[in-house]
Amino acid sequence: QVQLQESGPGLVKPSQTLSLTCTVSGGSISSGGHYWSWIRQHPGKGLEWLAYIYYSGSTYYNPSLKSRLTISVDTSKNQFSLNLRSVTVADTAVYYCARTLVMVVGPIGDGWFDPWGQGTLVTVSS
Amino acid sequence: EIVLTQSPATLSLSPGERATLSCRASQSVSSSLAWYQQKPGQAPRLLIYDASNRATGIPARFSGSGSGTDFTLTIRSLEPEDFAVYYCQQRSNWQGFTFGPGTKVDIK
Repeated sequence: QVQLQESGPGLVKPSQTLSLTCTVSGGSISSGGHYWSWIRQHPGKGLEWLAYIYYSGSTYYNPSLKSRLTISVDTSKNQFSLNLRSVTVADTAVYYCARTLVMVVGPIGDGWFDPWGQGTLVTVSS
Repeated sequence: EIVLTQSPATLSLSPGERATLSCRASQSVSSSLAWYQQKPGQAPRLLIYDASNRATGIPARFSGSGSGTDFTLTIRSLEPEDFAVYYCQQRSNWQGFTFGPGTKVDIK
């Protein structure tokens, strides 16, 4: 079955760019039918969706973070990545990647995340 | 903007008891709601999608119901491994995905 694994630095300095990669195994990103997302969780807090991407490169961002985010895909490596610019201590969180179903169903829409990677803790500190 | 609220924040129950968790949306989301379980140190796991459909491998003691603005996750008889935090989630065409704040089910 599909498995996802996050990788990237565990420590990033304030004002720098946080860069993470998610490697997908057990299935191809290029097979279509699913999007691929990044989600984060601040320590002891709830979940916040950040962005998703399709294998073709179509993207969608959380409006509140859009100006600092870039999501990209590398189908040759079966990976997708996230860049978060100008980080502050408020960006300290566990970052998850997840396979995502997205449907445009009427005026509302539908979708969910399954499966998830195990998550990686990124600490922003000088 | 669609906002999800969950109640109660914490539910203290004993193994074998029935758990009833609530998720309310600020406007109708039809049946477009999912539920996740998260245990300490682990990633969330999809339990229910489209309000009432169990995800692959999820035990039958988990069930979801509701539509419009009011949704319920029921755990028929709590097993020791069910003590965790539960999140509801919705996706809208204009704001992407949002999660509720979570309900913690702990051992009484």
